[in-house]
Amino acid sequence: EVQLVESGGGLVKPGGSLRLSCAASGFTFSDYTMNWLRQAPGRGLEWVSSISSRSDYMYYADSVKGRFTISRDNAKSSLYLQMNSLRADDTAVYYCARDYVRFDPWGQGTLVTVSS
Amino acid sequence: DIQLTQSPSFLSASVGDRVTITCRASQGISSYLAWYQQKPGKAPKLLIYAASTLQSGVPSRFSGSGSGTEFTLTISSLQPEDFATYYCQQLNSFPRTFGQGTKVEIK
Repeated sequence: EVQLVESGGGLVKPGGSLRLSCAASGFTFSDYTMNWLRQAPGRGLEWVSSISSRSDYMYYADSVKGRFTISRDNAKSSLYLQMNSLRADDTAVYYCARDYVRFDPWGQGTLVTVSS
Repeated sequence: DIQLTQSPSFLSASVGDRVTITCRASQGISSYLAWYQQKPGKAPKLLIYAASTLQSGVPSRFSGSGSGTEFTLTISSLQPEDFATYYCQQLNSFPRTFGQGTKVEIK
């Protein structure tokens, strides 16, 4: 079964850091571009970042550029998102998703709350 | 950045109704468009990709059409389990943008 499982969310103070992980199984992880997305409470979907299969390129939304870093470890079938200088408006459920001219599957999401 | 505008933002319909949601792109995106369904507290689920290709396992009452800048998602006969929020997404270029969503509620 193709599956993605996020972890690492939690409560963090403004200005703090958090590292999210996404564990992949059921497919050849190293063949696919991977993505992070988020959804703030009661809001729509927002793409955050993408990384190519061999980490040749990374793209970021303007809202996180310079603060977030996407990375991957193909040997471990894992995707990461290092989030620094967190702000209240980064509060959201964060999802990872596989990219193959569509986003599928998605993980179940991990909640990040930025609050003092 | 490519902007996607969905209409309507909210739709009230009855079981058995035919429902159409439109997604307009601010510039041409060929057929690089996907549609997702999201229910409260759940991750989005892929319905349609490449504008008109039905994802495996998705009921045939869902269909997609369009290319360039105008796209539609049609539900031919709305079922109780279809009440949800629907999003379009463009995969033509970065940033990968989404429409604002269309919430389909029971009339």
